[in-house]
Amino acid sequence: AQSVTQPDIHITVSEGASLELRCNYSYGATPYLFWYVQSPGQGLQLLLKYFSGDTLVQGIKGFEAEFKRSQSSFNLRKPSVHWSDAAEYFCAVAPYGGSQGNLIFGKGTKLSVKP
Amino acid sequence: SQTIHQWPATLVQPVGSPLSLECTVEGTSNPNLYWYRQAAGRGLQLLFYSVGIGQISSEVPQNLSASRPQDRQFILSSKKLLLSDSGFYLCAWSVAGSGTDTQYFGPGTRLTVL
Repeated sequence: AQSVTQPDIHITVSEGASLELRCNYSYGATPYLFWYVQSPGQGLQLLLKYFSGDTLVQGIKGFEAEFKRSQSSFNLRKPSVHWSDAAEYFCAVAPYGGSQGNLIFGKGTKLSVKP
Repeated sequence: SQTIHQWPATLVQPVGSPLSLECTVEGTSNPNLYWYRQAAGRGLQLLFYSVGIGQISSEVPQNLSASRPQDRQFILSSKKLLLSDSGFYLCAWSVAGSGTDTQYFGPGTRLTVL
């Protein structure tokens, strides 16, 4: 069965430091890949997505992610974290690539930012 | 532009009471619609999805049901709430047939069952 693993439940970084959030997926073919961010008590906002082509994708708020087929990974990065980036981050996979559009989510990584 | 609304934003209900949560989408036609539940530490669980009026698929057997009475309206219901129904309920939409599967989420409803 398809699955998404975010191995880090909680990460704390200092403001201004770089960030990498890990995501690994299990799926036979290349899936569609997404990163979402959720602020406390809010809905999910799409940060970026990968469908095909360039394996390094740029998103909103200065985030980027790199798809590595050999590692089945889609890690999220940001060179310099801001205090406003404190939130929970979800990686998601769409295994079907069709109009059904069912996403499989990881369990999330909570990011705390130290001043 | 498209917007998605959910109400109420928060709800406190006693065990055994009924439930009705509403989701509406504006600015698009014939969207795919989804209901998710988010429980603490458990990520997002897809409950229902709909590809058209009256077409509902259930992902998880439970005491919840969903209906789509209009093209851009999606309702989550229960006849009798359980304690385990507490959580954060999110509605989402995607463009039907787009092949991209990008989902856009509403602000959510926080449900507490006492």
